[in-house]
Amino acid sequence: DTEVTQTPKHLVMGMTNKKSLKCEQHMGHRAMYWYKQKAKKPPELMFVYSYEKLSINESVPSRFSPECPNSSLLNLHLHALQPEDSALYLCASSQDRGRPHHFGNGTRLTVT
Amino acid sequence: DQQVKQNSPSLSVQEGRISILNCDYTNSMFDYFLWYKKYPAEGPTFLISISSIKDKNEDGRFTVFLNKSAKHLSLHIVPSQPGDSAVYFCAAITSLQGAQKLVFGQGTRLTINP
Repeated sequence: DTEVTQTPKHLVMGMTNKKSLKCEQHMGHRAMYWYKQKAKKPPELMFVYSYEKLSINESVPSRFSPECPNSSLLNLHLHALQPEDSALYLCASSQDRGRPHHFGNGTRLTVT
Repeated sequence: DQQVKQNSPSLSVQEGRISILNCDYTNSMFDYFLWYKKYPAEGPTFLISISSIKDKNEDGRFTVFLNKSAKHLSLHIVPSQPGDSAVYFCAAITSLQGAQKLVFGQGTRLTINP
């Protein structure tokens, strides 16, 4: 069992839909991350939140909007996505510098 | 610019033998390295890590070696078991704007044959 929980596991959405991905961790980690993984590729960083503040945005298009309501929760709001945005979206958390990221099992997103 | 490279897309090893997965990096500012294992439809699972001030770290069947001068690290699994069949990612930690990010290699698919 993973200690980082992501919902939903699967999501199919049209290009005009608005949806949200959710991530939760109760390990007391103060950094949380969104990664995107395409088939046969490594995970690529999208956003980093540190102490509930956005620290890194890796030039992600504005149709992806992250939100960190509190230290345990991380959301990714999706709007007007493109079919090429279909991927596995992974959430992760970590404690301090040099400590490993703990990943959730991801949300498999399909944009039609 | 791929800063972390795993040049072997796949590796096949017989059960009971040693599996050696390799990783090269280009950024000398990386100071912490990790190996992750990934099964299909699951997130990456942390295996083992090593700080740049060390050259070896061991945890059960898993050992990671770091050669800083060559900018090379390797993961040894011995003895290899069928459950080790998965994709293995090498990753390095870098700091950016006060936060840390993981930079992953392309992954190596390890298959353990009975």
